[in-house]
Amino acid sequence: DTGVSQDPRHKITKRGQNVTFRCDPISEHNRLYWYRQTLGQGPEFLTYFQNEAQLEKSRLLSDRFSAERPKGSFSTLEIQRTEQGDSAMYLCASSPGGRTGELFFGEGSRLTVL
Amino acid sequence: AQSVTQLGSHVSVSEGALVLLRCNYSSSVPPYLFWYVQYPNQGLQLLLKYTTGATLVKGINGFEAEFKKSETSFHLTKPSAHMSDAAEYFCAVAYSGAGSYQLTFGKGTKLSVIP
Repeated sequence: DTGVSQDPRHKITKRGQNVTFRCDPISEHNRLYWYRQTLGQGPEFLTYFQNEAQLEKSRLLSDRFSAERPKGSFSTLEIQRTEQGDSAMYLCASSPGGRTGELFFGEGSRLTVL
Repeated sequence: AQSVTQLGSHVSVSEGALVLLRCNYSSSVPPYLFWYVQYPNQGLQLLLKYTTGATLVKGINGFEAEFKKSETSFHLTKPSAHMSDAAEYFCAVAYSGAGSYQLTFGKGTKLSVIP
């Protein structure tokens, strides 16, 4: 049983660089979510996909952030022109349809912006 | 809008003692409520959930939680703490209506178990 996998697990970058994170959900799950977690905080919702359609976006997702889920399988989250405030753990989760809130999380991708 | 407040960012209990982690929510519509657990270097894992029906819900590893609408609470309990329960616990609320799928999480409570 393969769970949700995220890559890379850790990314250190310099301010102003672009970074991309990849998420592979559980194969039969049609829903995919991105969350962000900073130290001392709970996960904060960023965006949600149902199959390939991006149905919901948080106001936290500024225009420097873009997420895609081509063909409804894996997803990518790109951050352009990174800022130090982008340093966080980026969490991906997936869920089967019809089970609101029952998310299966990956281990996260930790971003450090120097 | 919905929100979650977890009282106590850090709770310590002795092994074998009662575990009580507090969660209060705010929601303008009937909520779906969840507890997630995060062990060190692992992803969040669903512990239990309340959607409708019985207000006392049981989860994995002997945990349970009771939905109290009048108190807007969903506290997590376990009768006897085990060393393996040391982790961070997050309470979360979801909108029960159609059209929104996001979970709103609390800030988390780190549980330490003292031998």
